[in-house]
Amino acid sequence: EPEVTQTPSHQVTQMGQEVILRCVPISNHLYFYWYRQILGQKVEFLVSFYNNEISEKSEIFDDQFSVERPDGSNFTLKIRSTKLEDSAMYFCATQTGTVNTGELFFGEGSRLTVL
Amino acid sequence: QKEVEQDPGPLSVPEGAIVSLNCTYSNSAFQYFMWYRQYSRKGPELLMYTYSSGNKEDGRFTAQVDKSSKYISLFIRDSQPSDSATYLCAMNNNNDMRFGAGTRLTVKP
Repeated sequence: EPEVTQTPSHQVTQMGQEVILRCVPISNHLYFYWYRQILGQKVEFLVSFYNNEISEKSEIFDDQFSVERPDGSNFTLKIRSTKLEDSAMYFCATQTGTVNTGELFFGEGSRLTVL
Repeated sequence: QKEVEQDPGPLSVPEGAIVSLNCTYSNSAFQYFMWYRQYSRKGPELLMYTYSSGNKEDGRFTAQVDKSSKYISLFIRDSQPSDSATYLCAMNNNNDMRFGAGTRLTVKP
């Protein structure tokens, strides 16, 4: 069964460092998303991406965050200068886009720990 | 008022019990309503989705949507220990999806 793959599974970084989280979407999917989940809290929307551009972003997704799909396969989330409060589980999700059924397929997540 | 409200629990039931999970929402533009199951340290996986008001049944799971009341439910019949997880409601409109906080369910053998 096709799946969304995320790397790394866990990254520990120092405050102020740049972090890149990577996602390989399911091959025929057209919509890509990043969500985050702070430990014990709800899943929060960060950004959606379609046709090589951001289609929507939340207020969490400030200038420290960026997304791109540089090689047509990997979908990346970059945090330029990490803060302690960026510590969370980051989930990539993808959707076919052919019919908007809301069926998002999630990756296993990348746990980010900022020290 | 939060866009999607869901009681985080925790909810603990004996094996075989009927479980009822609920969410309310405020945005009447939501069209698709989903329930995701999330096991510890894993990504959410889609359990059920419905479009507009009504019921949908899949095995032991039944999803209900009442758009007039802005209320959705998930029922689990004959609950099993393997159903122990966090259940998140979600709803969207034009790829703008919002999640509830998730209800942590434990089914005790």
